[in-house]
Amino acid sequence: DAMVIQNPRYQVTQFGKPVTLSCSQTLNHNVMYWYQQKSSQAPKLLFHYYDKDFNNEADTPDNFQSRRPNTSFCFLDIRSPGLGDAAMYLCATSPGEGSYNEQFFGPGTRLTVL
Amino acid sequence: AQSVTQLGSHVSVSEGALVLLRCNYSSSVPPYLFWYVQYPNQGLQLLLKYTSAATLVKGINGFEAEFKKSETSFHLTKPSAHMSDAAEYFCAVSGGFQKLVFGTGTRLLVSP
Repeated sequence: DAMVIQNPRYQVTQFGKPVTLSCSQTLNHNVMYWYQQKSSQAPKLLFHYYDKDFNNEADTPDNFQSRRPNTSFCFLDIRSPGLGDAAMYLCATSPGEGSYNEQFFGPGTRLTVL
Repeated sequence: AQSVTQLGSHVSVSEGALVLLRCNYSSSVPPYLFWYVQYPNQGLQLLLKYTSAATLVKGINGFEAEFKKSETSFHLTKPSAHMSDAAEYFCAVSGGFQKLVFGTGTRLLVSP
């Protein structure tokens, strides 16, 4: 089945220790997104790629970076995690033009910062 | 700019009762609207979508939603709640630049 895969599902890191979350897709979609979701809140878009074009949200902290080495993979790097970065991180994909922006989500990675 | 408002952060129903989750939208262009469901520690799953075809949209798990332009609404309903429907539900509208604009979510609680 075509899908969006996130690894790991649970990640524990220490305050200030860099961490990388990964996302892969078998849908061959042009657009990939990273969201941050805190408890009982809606997902908050951090950034997205349309093919190789990177689009950063204006309020995304510099502490968050992303890489998309190819169509299938996208990474979220948190350079110096703080306690406030503990959250669920969701990856999503979309076909792009003509898709009404319907998005397909992965299962998420829950990040704990100690 | 597009936006959605979900009335009620929590909705409680008994098993077998009607489920009604409210969503009102604001859009400067004909909207594309979505309902997503999120179970604990999971990603979001698409329940249904409105893309300007039929105004009554049927989705998975027995859910449906009706697009009412005059009321700028896209409420989600299910005739008979099941315990497994307990989850967080998000309404979303298609924004610009390949984005979705999400509502704040409604947590559905189902009691036996």
